[in-house]
Amino acid sequence: DSGVTQTPKHLITATGQRVTLRCSPRSGDLSVYWYQQSLDQGLQFLIQYYNGEERAKGNILERFSAQQFPDLHSELNLSSLELGDSALYFCASSVGQGANEQYFGPGTRLTVT
Amino acid sequence: EDQVTQSPEALRLQEGESSSLNCSYTVSGLRGLFWYRQDPGKGPEFLFTLYSAGEEKEKERLKATLTKKESFLHITAPKPEDSATYLCAVSSDKYIFGTGTRLKVLA
Repeated sequence: DSGVTQTPKHLITATGQRVTLRCSPRSGDLSVYWYQQSLDQGLQFLIQYYNGEERAKGNILERFSAQQFPDLHSELNLSSLELGDSALYFCASSVGQGANEQYFGPGTRLTVT
Repeated sequence: EDQVTQSPEALRLQEGESSSLNCSYTVSGLRGLFWYRQDPGKGPEFLFTLYSAGEEKEKERLKATLTKKESFLHITAPKPEDSATYLCAVSSDKYIFGTGTRLKVLA
């Protein structure tokens, strides 16, 4: 158990809908990262927050947004969903802003039908 | 452009047959190199951090080494439970993951 929690574990929704994925980092970690992993694909970095502020941005679509709250939990919002958004979404946390190991949550499996 | 390349993409070993996985990188200003293990459908699990060329880390049957251009993950006498995807990541101004090596160890 990494100490990172993600909810929900599974999500099935229809095209065009909007969903919110939630992540709670390990106790003491200030950074939260979001990743997308499609079937047999590598981890695609989406976005990083550090202590409530956006720190780095990857290949995140404009339909996707995220935020980190004062209690350090984070939410990833996915809107106008398309079939191609079906994937595993992982959250990870780390102590610092960059050069630290990351601890991953169990992921949320999103299926868009 | 910062890049991380892992090879081979897939590797099948007999139990006890030692081998090495490669991670080559091109980044401006390496701040750290990380190895993770990922089982199917699960989040990656942190294994090692390496910060400078010449550094080595060991854990059970795994040993990670770092040079100025690449890192190796050596697996000594692997067991079937070592079967997983091994991911390499580098930290510069961004955190970049390679696509991984899928390792299968046969009993």
